[in-house]
Amino acid sequence: NAGVMQNPRHLVRRRGQEARLRCSPMKGHSHVYWYRQLPEEGLKFMVYLQKENIIDESGMPKERFSAEFPKEGPSILRIQQVVRGDSAAYFCASSPAQGANTEAFFGQGTRLTVV
Amino acid sequence: GDSVTQMEGPVTLSEEAFLTINCTYTATGYPSLFWYVQYPGEGLQLLLKATKADDKGSNKGFEATYRKETTSFHLEKGSVQVSDSAVYFCALSDPSSGNKLVFGAGTILRVKS
Repeated sequence: NAGVMQNPRHLVRRRGQEARLRCSPMKGHSHVYWYRQLPEEGLKFMVYLQKENIIDESGMPKERFSAEFPKEGPSILRIQQVVRGDSAAYFCASSPAQGANTEAFFGQGTRLTVV
Repeated sequence: GDSVTQMEGPVTLSEEAFLTINCTYTATGYPSLFWYVQYPGEGLQLLLKATKADDKGSNKGFEATYRKETTSFHLEKGSVQVSDSAVYFCALSDPSSGNKLVFGAGTILRVKS
């Protein structure tokens, strides 16, 4: 059973371009979380999705950022018109359900650099 | 809102030294508590967890006890190894808010041989 797969591992974009980050959850997992880690900081929650639904997007910037988790295929975090401040590591986690004893498994992250 | 505070690093120890990384939390509900470890260039791995007061999580020689009275979840290991060098994150999740994790800022641990 493969773990959480994120791609690309490294992504370089020029200011104003779009960035698309992909996350394939573990098999059987229907809950996906995205987190952002700024340099030398902890991870900050961005968005929580279940298949085809956004459950909690309280950590998403109001503009330029969007996320989806379609019925088929990976979850996508999309950043439009990137700026230098978007440079960070973006981590995806998945879990089979929610509850006190449910563990979330993390991918290796996508490191976005905006030049 | 919920928050996690952990001791600043870096923490530098010699091999076989005793490790403590302090973590305290603030939560409106009754959270579960976690320690995650991040090796260079990698994602986070769950190290241990505790879901109720006085529970002790343990794994690979690390342990932490959920102390509700002091709102703490300090990480300890009796004898560290060079291979323990990593960044350690304390985190909480409140099941009433969908299990999203709230992380501390992380503590860098460096173990010298």
